[in-house]
Amino acid sequence: DQQVKQNSPSLSVQEGRISILNCDYTNSMFDYFLWYKKYPAEGPTFLISISSIKDKNEDGRFTVFLNKSAKHLSLHIVPSQPGDSAVYFCAATPNNAGNMLTFGGGTRLMVKP
Amino acid sequence: DAGVIQSPRHEVTEMGQEVTLRCKPISGHDYLFWYRQTMMRGLELLIYFNNNVPIDDSGMPEDRFSAKMPNASFSTLKIQPSEPRDSAVYFCATRWGGQNTIYFGEGSWLTVV
Repeated sequence: DQQVKQNSPSLSVQEGRISILNCDYTNSMFDYFLWYKKYPAEGPTFLISISSIKDKNEDGRFTVFLNKSAKHLSLHIVPSQPGDSAVYFCAATPNNAGNMLTFGGGTRLMVKP
Repeated sequence: DAGVIQSPRHEVTEMGQEVTLRCKPISGHDYLFWYRQTMMRGLELLIYFNNNVPIDDSGMPEDRFSAKMPNASFSTLKIQPSEPRDSAVYFCATRWGGQNTIYFGEGSWLTVV
């Protein structure tokens, strides 16, 4: 029972273009969402988060959008850079304390120069 | 700040042997999490501690797995006896109670043959 799903295992984008990574969830108790980035042989690193009271959060080139009615969130990277090539995980938690994070399966982003 | 430190980084062991994975959290962080990453199940939470006390171990797969946190600077995850299906990357992660962000170590790559 996957409560957090990232249906695209991989995504390839040209440098300078927009990357859009998608994530769907099923648990209506989730109210805080995070995106992590992971390079090979490293641990995941926090990228950006959003609370369910918002529908958008922006940090530089990264923007996360939340559609609660659709139980869907997306991460936009504009413009994409080759250094953004990594695996991106979305995660969700039913509280604003990050204790019980449920992760999606990840999407591998490849940004081509 | 040294970040979350895990050891060993890589371990290859024979089935039936005991495996001990170690974690040193970021100083001042009062929550510690053990995650496991596999191709089949992705990133899954095994157990987490708050102030050295285990809070939720519902993700621990079987009695062969045990985790301890004898003090604020050290935690272990032990598998005894190990089996080939335990082969995975085990991540330790920590956070400070006043923040939502979880910081991951670089992981311990375990192979049981």
